[in-house]
Amino acid sequence: EIVLTQSPGTLSLSPGERATLSCRASQSVGSSYLGWYQQKPGQAPRLLIYGASSRATGIPDRFSGSASGTGFTLAISRLEPEDFAVYYCQQYVTSPFTFGQGTKLEIK
Amino acid sequence: EVQLVESGGGLVQPGGSLRLSCAASGFTFSSYWMSWVRQAPGKGLEWVANIKQDGSEKYYVDSVKGRFTISRDNAKNSLYLQMNSLRAEDTAVYYCARDLPPYGGNSYFDYWGQGTLVTVSS
Repeated sequence: EIVLTQSPGTLSLSPGERATLSCRASQSVGSSYLGWYQQKPGQAPRLLIYGASSRATGIPDRFSGSASGTGFTLAISRLEPEDFAVYYCQQYVTSPFTFGQGTKLEIK
Repeated sequence: EVQLVESGGGLVQPGGSLRLSCAASGFTFSSYWMSWVRQAPGKGLEWVANIKQDGSEKYYVDSVKGRFTISRDNAKNSLYLQMNSLRAEDTAVYYCARDLPPYGGNSYFDYWGQGTLVTVSS
């Protein structure tokens, strides 16, 4: 199975700052079979990005995704208070569809 | 509005069985692959299984093969997960999720239910 490794494990930033989260795959997932989800405590995950760089319906444009080789990045341009949460990447090039271990974005 | 509502979770002894249900509304249920995804307490997400629109194809993560069975009833807009031979490591919140794209094979999840907690303990 494809293993996704997210870094950092925890990211401490202030509102208004830019966040950069990384996800690296153990083998190729192509350039587009990668999604990003946001999860807040006690809530279900919410789809942010699919196809590595396409925003899901209703997602603000401060969220962006990109790909480079087996590495993927989720960027949040200007952090809002509601953005502090756990973020997961997911590959869907092949079953079993696997998730990274998550990056916790916390308020500094 | 798309809604997915899970039910059927609870406390079960190791080796026991449980059947989860997911009631779907707000979209044409029979047009989508559907999945179950779980999350152990304080841990990350794990895709468990998915099923094709007509139920003719089903896929599972290795850790549940032979123990769990996914099924659906399109007439009732419902998804199910029959869980047998439960183990402590199956303890998790189980989410029902809608797969995209509709043709299947490469699934990400655009709508999720709120989840139902399954606890396997003696």
